[in-house]
Amino acid sequence: AQKVTQAQTEISVVEKEDVTLDCVYETRDTTYYLFWYKQPPSGELVFLIRRNSFDEQNEISGRYSWNFQKSTSSFNFTITASQVVDSAVYFCALSGGSQGNLIFGKGTKLSVKP
Amino acid sequence: DSGVTQTPKHLITATGQRVTLRCSPRSGDLSVYWYQQSLDQGLQFLIQYYNGEERAKGNILERFSAQQFPDLHSELNLSSLELGDSALYFCASSAGLAGEGSQYFGPGTRLTVL
Repeated sequence: AQKVTQAQTEISVVEKEDVTLDCVYETRDTTYYLFWYKQPPSGELVFLIRRNSFDEQNEISGRYSWNFQKSTSSFNFTITASQVVDSAVYFCALSGGSQGNLIFGKGTKLSVKP
Repeated sequence: DSGVTQTPKHLITATGQRVTLRCSPRSGDLSVYWYQQSLDQGLQFLIQYYNGEERAKGNILERFSAQQFPDLHSELNLSSLELGDSALYFCASSAGLAGEGSQYFGPGTRLTVL
């Protein structure tokens, strides 16, 4: 069975701190895809990144970076120099190679205080 | 703006009633997914359509049904509504059939059953 675990329910940081959101996944598929989404207080789900299981290269996009490690089945997300606008619920998700639907973790609520 | 549209944004109705939620995918996307977000269940996959055909089913109740039309827009029908059906319903679209494509989400329809 496929499963995504986000152990951190809530994190609170002060602006300009770095913060890492953890994501651990379980799957038996050899081909799979990992995703991060952001859900700000307004409620929409904003796509951040997609990674396939064959690409373990870390990725950086501005203040955001992602660390994918197959050996530990983790796909962690780091925000550098956090800002108040980063306050949101962040979801990690997984889809198997033959199925397109996403399996979501329960989300991590990030609060960035000024 | 993800390019996925959903109407209505908010819906308030009574128990026992029937409602229809509408979704238009991004231009060129053939897959449409429906998800339900509730406080107790989190984000759950309901059903997927690809180019007019049902492709995968998740935790969708028998009272719920969906279809995808020739112009690729999709509708989710919820009938005999119960209080527990109150949730945020998201539609997402992707280009392909399986997980190789990124899923972009619409703004959601917030359903309140009184």
